[in-house]
Amino acid sequence: EPEVTQTPSHQVTQMGQEVILRCVPISNHLYFYWYRQILGQKVEFLVSFYNNEISEKSEIFDDQFSVERPDGSNFTLKIRSTKLEDSAMYFCASSVLARETQYFGPGTRLLVL
Amino acid sequence: GQQVMQIPQYQHVQEGEDFTTYCNSSTTLSNIQWYKQRPGGHPVFLIQLVKSGEVKKQKRLTFQFGEAKKNSSLHITATQTTDVGTYFCAVNRDDKIIFGKGTRLHILP
Repeated sequence: EPEVTQTPSHQVTQMGQEVILRCVPISNHLYFYWYRQILGQKVEFLVSFYNNEISEKSEIFDDQFSVERPDGSNFTLKIRSTKLEDSAMYFCASSVLARETQYFGPGTRLLVL
Repeated sequence: GQQVMQIPQYQHVQEGEDFTTYCNSSTTLSNIQWYKQRPGGHPVFLIQLVKSGEVKKQKRLTFQFGEAKKNSSLHITATQTTDVGTYFCAVNRDDKIIFGKGTRLHILP
């Protein structure tokens, strides 16, 4: 069964450093998403992406964040200058169309020191 | 925007007992989804309800959507150790899913 994959599974970085989290959505899906989950808390929407542009973003997704689909398979989340409060699990998800079932990847656990 | 409140936050049950988690909204919901997240895992879609008063079953899990489409529940009959995890209700709205805070289920052997 097709799955969303994410790399790396864990990332440790120093405050102020840039990180890039990578995702490979399910191949026939057109909508891509990033969510984050701070330890012990609920899953929060960050951004949705369709047709090579952001379709919606939350207030969390400020100028430090960017997303890109650099090729036909990868979907990336970049955090330009990490802060301590960016420490969280970051989930990528994809769906065939908007409002359809979203399939989540296994996540990348980011720790900012 | 649409927010969903979920109770209880935590639930401990003996293996074999039933479990129910509730989801409430102050506004009418277009749909309600339920996800399960195992410890250390990622959210896994369980089901979506869209119709007023809808009831769906998946083996030991029963999902209900209220008549007014403002509340929903997930009931697990005769819990097993494999049911451990956090159960989230959520609303799928356009390009995003809005999650509740979840109910963490612990099973006591």
